[in-house]
Amino acid sequence: QVQLVQSGAEVKKPGASVKVSCKASGYTFTGYYMHWVRQAPGQGLEWMGWINPNSGGTNYAQKFQGWVTMTRDTSISTAYMELSRLRSDDTAVYYCARARNDMGYFDYWGQGTLVTVSS
Amino acid sequence: EIVLTQSPGTLSLSPGERATLSCRASQSVSSSYLAWYQQKPGQAPRLLIYGASSRATGIPDRFSGSGSGTDFTLTISRLEPEDFAVYYCQQYGSSLTFGQGTKVEIK
Repeated sequence: QVQLVQSGAEVKKPGASVKVSCKASGYTFTGYYMHWVRQAPGQGLEWMGWINPNSGGTNYAQKFQGWVTMTRDTSISTAYMELSRLRSDDTAVYYCARARNDMGYFDYWGQGTLVTVSS
Repeated sequence: EIVLTQSPGTLSLSPGERATLSCRASQSVSSSYLAWYQQKPGQAPRLLIYGASSRATGIPDRFSGSGSGTDFTLTISRLEPEDFAVYYCQQYGSSLTFGQGTKVEIK
């Protein structure tokens, strides 16, 4: 069965960086785009961008350009999302989510990774 | 960027009642590229509907989606206890955006 398993919760200080991993199993990793979506406490969903695991190509939402980096390691079917220059309002649950296309709906989601930014 | 506005913000209903959730787009959503998700506290969202009206795998037929252009609707024909949750619409026709959510709560 398809599974996306994310790394554990992180606590970071303002200005630091965080790297969240998302390990895929149960399907061909390079056959689907991996997107990242975040959700601040009590708030809605915010799309951050995607990576094409086959080519390594990326596309980031305008808000996150220059600030987020998405990478992948096909040898271990894992996608990564790194967010730099963290601020307190980056405190959120970060999800990876699979889509067939660059612009698509998300049929499987990771369990989420809580990133807390606090001094 | 296409802005999605969901209404109402909160829907208070009893089990067995019909729920009608609205999602309105600031401009036409091409090819009805609209999806609906259900999210329960502490869980990741779950895909319910894609392409405005196609049910995802394993989704009960009490969930249905309709609409096109700028107006879309998610209908839950008879609410079960497990349906009380927050629902989000998402468009994927022009970049990707989500609505702000509708909470369906027990009356």
